Amino acid sequence: AQSVSQHNHHVILSEAASLELGCNYSYGGTVNLFWYVQYPGQHLQLLLKYFSGDPLVKGIKGFEAEFIKSKFSFNLRKPSVQWSDTAEYFCAVNVPGTYKYIFGTGTRLKVLA
Amino acid sequence: DTAVSQTPKYLVTQMGNDKSIKCEQNLGHDTMYWYKQDSKKFLKIMFSYNNKELIINETVPNRFSPKSPDKAHLNLHINSLELGDSAVYFCASGQAGGYTFGSGTRLTVV
Repeated sequence: AQSVSQHNHHVILSEAASLELGCNYSYGGTVNLFWYVQYPGQHLQLLLKYFSGDPLVKGIKGFEAEFIKSKFSFNLRKPSVQWSDTAEYFCAVNVPGTYKYIFGTGTRLKVLA
Repeated sequence: DTAVSQTPKYLVTQMGNDKSIKCEQNLGHDTMYWYKQDSKKFLKIMFSYNNKELIINETVPNRFSPKSPDKAHLNLHINSLELGDSAVYFCASGQAGGYTFGSGTRLTVV
C-alpha cells in the first residue's frame, strides 16, 4: 500500500528565510504528486503538482517542488518565505488511473514577522 | 461561483443525534470524496463516488453513510453521533489533475 511521510511536523522560520519541506512516498511504480496548502481556518488548496516531465515543478506563490525518483521524494521549496505563508502543508500521492489520493500527515509552518 | 460547496459550515449537536452534511460541485467532475480531518490535521479518506457509484469505502463505522443522488452531489449522513466524530469533514471533487476541496464542515459533538 502506498504511504506518504512528511518528517517535519512543525517548522518555524523568520520572514525571508528559505524553506524546504520534506515529502517521501512509498510506491514502486509511477505516481502523481501534489502539494496542498491549508491556511488557518480554510480548506485545502492545490499549490503544485507533478505528473511527468521536468522534475522541477513551479507552483503558485513562488513555491516549487523537485521530484527525485531515486529517493522517492517530492520536497517543497520556497527561497524566501513571508508571514502570509503560515499554514499547514500537505503532500499527496496518487497512482495514475486510480481514484485514491494518499495524504501525508502535514507540516505546520509558522513564519515569524 | 463556489466550485465545491458544503453545508453547513458549522454543526454542533448532541451525542446520539443523526445529522447530514451536503456537498455539491459545479466543476463537472465525475468523482467526489469525503475526507475527515482530525484535531491533529490528519486527513483520512472516508468515501469516494464516481458517477454515483461507490468506489472507495475505507474502514469507517457503518453509522456513516454516503449518498450520491447525481454526480454533482455527495452527501454524508451520520447516525448516532459520538464524541469521537468531532472533526472537520471535507468534501472534494477531483480528477487526475488533483482535488478541489470544499470549505469544510466543523462538526462538534457534545
